[in-house]
Amino acid sequence: KQEVTQIPAALSVPEGENLVLNCSFTDSAIYNLQWFRQDPGKGLTSLLLIQSSQREQTSGRLNASLDKSSGRSTLYIAASQPGDSATYLCAVRGGSARQLTFGSGTQLTVLP
Amino acid sequence: SAVISQKPSRDICQRGTSLTIQCQVDSQVTMMFWYRQQPGQSLTLIATANQGSEATYESGFVIDKFPISRPNLTFSTLTVSNMSPEDSSIYLCSVEFGPEAFFGQGTRLTVV
Repeated sequence: KQEVTQIPAALSVPEGENLVLNCSFTDSAIYNLQWFRQDPGKGLTSLLLIQSSQREQTSGRLNASLDKSSGRSTLYIAASQPGDSATYLCAVRGGSARQLTFGSGTQLTVLP
Repeated sequence: SAVISQKPSRDICQRGTSLTIQCQVDSQVTMMFWYRQQPGQSLTLIATANQGSEATYESGFVIDKFPISRPNLTFSTLTVSNMSPEDSSIYLCSVEFGPEAFFGQGTRLTVV
C-alpha cells in the first residue's frame, strides 16, 4: 500500500527566503505526482503536475522535482512571500486503480 | 482545467440529521470523486461516481452513510446521513482532466 510522507509538518520562514518542501513515497511505481496548495478551511489548488517520466516542472517561483527511483519529490519556492502561507500537499497517483494517495501536508507560514 | 462549484461552503448541523452537498462542474466528466478531510488529517477518498451507475465506495465507507447521486455528466451530490460529531470534516469533490486532478473549494461541516 502506498504511503506518502511530508516533512516538515510545519515550517515558518521570513519573507524573501528560498525554501524546500519534501515529499516521499514508498512505492516507486507511480504514474504522476501532483503538488497542491490548500488555504485554511478551503479546497485544493493544483500547483504542479510531474509525470513519472519527467524530472521536474516549473511554474513561476515554484519548481518541483521528482526522483522516482528514490521515492522523493521536492517543491522549491523561490523568494517566498506572505501570500505563500498555506498548507502544501503532495499526492501520488499509482496502483491498478490509479488512485491518488495524499501526504499529510506541510503548513507553511511566511512572516512579513 | 475545470471550474468546480460546491454548495454549501460550510454548515453546522445537529447530530442525527443529514446534509446533502452539491458539486457542479463546468465541463462534462466521466468520473467525479468525493473526498473527506478530517481535522488535521489528509484527504481520504470516499467514493467514485460514474454517471448512470452506482458509485464505487472505498473501504470503510458505505452507501447507507454516504449516498451519492450522479444524474448527469456535470453534477453530483454526496449526502452525509445520520450525522455524528465524528463526521465533522471538510468534504471535497474532484474531477480529473487527463492526468491532473482538480478540486472544489470544499464543504466545511461541523456536527454539534
